[in-house]
Amino acid sequence: DSGVTQTPKHLITATGQRVTLRCSPRSGDLSVYWYQQSLDQGLQFLIQYYNGEERAKGNILERFSAQQFPDLHSELNLSSLELGDSALYFCASSVGVAVQETQYFGPGTRLLVL
Amino acid sequence: LAKTTQPISMDSYEGQEVNITCSHNNIATNDYITWYQQFPSQGPRFIIQGYKTKVTNEVASLFIPADRKSSTLSLPRVSLSDTAVYYCLVKSNDYKLSFGAGTTVTVRA
Repeated sequence: DSGVTQTPKHLITATGQRVTLRCSPRSGDLSVYWYQQSLDQGLQFLIQYYNGEERAKGNILERFSAQQFPDLHSELNLSSLELGDSALYFCASSVGVAVQETQYFGPGTRLLVL
Repeated sequence: LAKTTQPISMDSYEGQEVNITCSHNNIATNDYITWYQQFPSQGPRFIIQGYKTKVTNEVASLFIPADRKSSTLSLPRVSLSDTAVYYCLVKSNDYKLSFGAGTTVTVRA
């Protein structure tokens, strides 16, 4: 158990809908990262937050957005969902933003868009 | 940001040593290299991290040559439970991240 929690574990929705994925980082961690992993594909970095502020953006679509709240939990919002958005979404956390810091991953949210 | 390239898959037998090499030709001076292990339907788990030369912990070793254009994860005496996907990650100090596509390691009895 990494100490990172994600809810829900599974989510089934329809095309065109909007969903929100939630992540709680490890106690004491200020950085949160979001990743997408499609079937049989590697990890695609989406976005990083540190202490409430956006720090880095990866391959995040304009239909997707995220935020980190004062209590440090983070939410990833996915809107106008398409079939291709079906994937595992992982959240990871680290203490800070130093390059050598280890990321600890949550168990993921499996999203299925029908 | 350095692009990372790994072999797609590797097969091994129990008790053997497995070496997985990740290429990162454009790695920058301050970039760090980290390796993760992932089992099906689970989040990646940290294995080892390094900047240069050799790093060893209780589960693996990481070899990084002087030019740092590649890194090799070495898993000694693998067992069936080491069957997983292994990812290398290059992280820069301007918050950029590059995960490799992953190497599926299959350990057979």
